[in-house]
Amino acid sequence: AAGVIQSPRHLIKEKRETATLKCYPIPRHDTVYWYQQGPGQDPQFLISFYEKMQSDKGSIPDRFSAQQFSDYHSELNMSSLELGDSALYFCASSRPVRSYEQYFGPGTRLTVT
Amino acid sequence: KQEVTQIPAALSVPEGENLVLNCSFTDSAIYNLQWFRQDPGKGLTSLLLIQSSQREQTSGRLNASLDKSSGRSTLYIAASQPGDSATYLCAARGGSARQLTFGSGTQLTVLP
Repeated sequence: AAGVIQSPRHLIKEKRETATLKCYPIPRHDTVYWYQQGPGQDPQFLISFYEKMQSDKGSIPDRFSAQQFSDYHSELNMSSLELGDSALYFCASSRPVRSYEQYFGPGTRLTVT
Repeated sequence: KQEVTQIPAALSVPEGENLVLNCSFTDSAIYNLQWFRQDPGKGLTSLLLIQSSQREQTSGRLNASLDKSSGRSTLYIAASQPGDSATYLCAARGGSARQLTFGSGTQLTVLP
């Protein structure tokens, strides 16, 4: 069965650089969520999109932005990177049914040096 | 604001033992609760999803229960194996919010 695809899987950037993370949801999933998991931390919700519109916003820094495109894939853009942005970034998707089970991608490990 | 707590933070058991992981949440108006497994530096593997209308779900050696009124969920692992060693996270989805609120996890070590 198709799973959530994230790219790249690993990314190394320097401070003050920008990064773009991509997420391809499971086919026919219309909702995409982004989570950030710092070292030794639990995943924290950043932002979500439903039918290409932002639906909920969590603890996402103003330096980050995201969008969902017409093919339902999503991109998380991160600017002016800081050392503290080093984390595992997960994308999850869910179906438009009542269960709303979220299926997680393998994550993108971002390292800021 | 929903808060999810998991106790204990770490647990070490000998192989073959049955064990229970605990999860509590502050807002009982949840839509569902998911249990995940995470290996070091890896992604999240969904183990079980319990809807708010359900009391328990079973998958193989795993059984998860949900008691909304007391704000608790448990994950029961039967006949534990060294391959079960991982961090187990529970996450609650609130009634209106779509996102999950995660607990800090229980790091399980099953000794051979």
